[in-house]
Amino acid sequence: GAGVSQTPSNKVTEKGKYVELRCDPISGHTALYWYRQSLGQGPEFLIYFQGTGAADDSGLPNDRFFAVRPEGSVSTLKIQRTERGDSAVYLCASSLGQGRQAFFGQGTRLTVV
Amino acid sequence: GQQLNQSPQSMFIQEGEDVSMNCTSSSIFNTWLWYKQEPGEGPVLLIALYKAGELTSNGRLTAQFGITRKDSFLNISASIPSDVGIYFCAGFLNAGNNRKLIWGLGTSLAVNP
Repeated sequence: GAGVSQTPSNKVTEKGKYVELRCDPISGHTALYWYRQSLGQGPEFLIYFQGTGAADDSGLPNDRFFAVRPEGSVSTLKIQRTERGDSAVYLCASSLGQGRQAFFGQGTRLTVV
Repeated sequence: GQQLNQSPQSMFIQEGEDVSMNCTSSSIFNTWLWYKQEPGEGPVLLIALYKAGELTSNGRLTAQFGITRKDSFLNISASIPSDVGIYFCAGFLNAGNNRKLIWGLGTSLAVNP
């Protein structure tokens, strides 16, 4: 498709489990961002990739969170030992480059029970 | 983290009415953005403002970048039912730096047909 695609759209997991969230950016977009959005809040920055490398991971809340983008296209956000507080909508966005307009995917709603 | 002060928090209006919402900050922003988010979707960019005093329209939407660079407003004229959603303001503290995009808490708009 032409837009940013995120899978799955919904994920329910048990506390303590490992989850992977996938983001397929717009073709040709070198910049990729992960955000987390809690109910009633705006998106909260997690990590930013320029190409294959994580240019800024200062938003990752702790070492249970990790993201990769091995070929500079698809990215996977990985959460280990999930906690109930990790429940949120995880949004991915991509842009042609830093500072260019970012396009968002529809998000993955993660629920940790 | 740092957030913008966005008001009102919610609005319930009649179809055909005009709507106005605004964002303020104690910090100076180089760019203001207005997004709309519908349930189950990621935010969609409506208007981007890059210069102090800039007034930009997109159909029935008009937004302005405040002269002091610490505020912005969004107006929607002649509202229609599909305007329903949450409207977010967002701003860059450093020019062209997506990763430092600061978000408001959103204005939830409901339109009564």
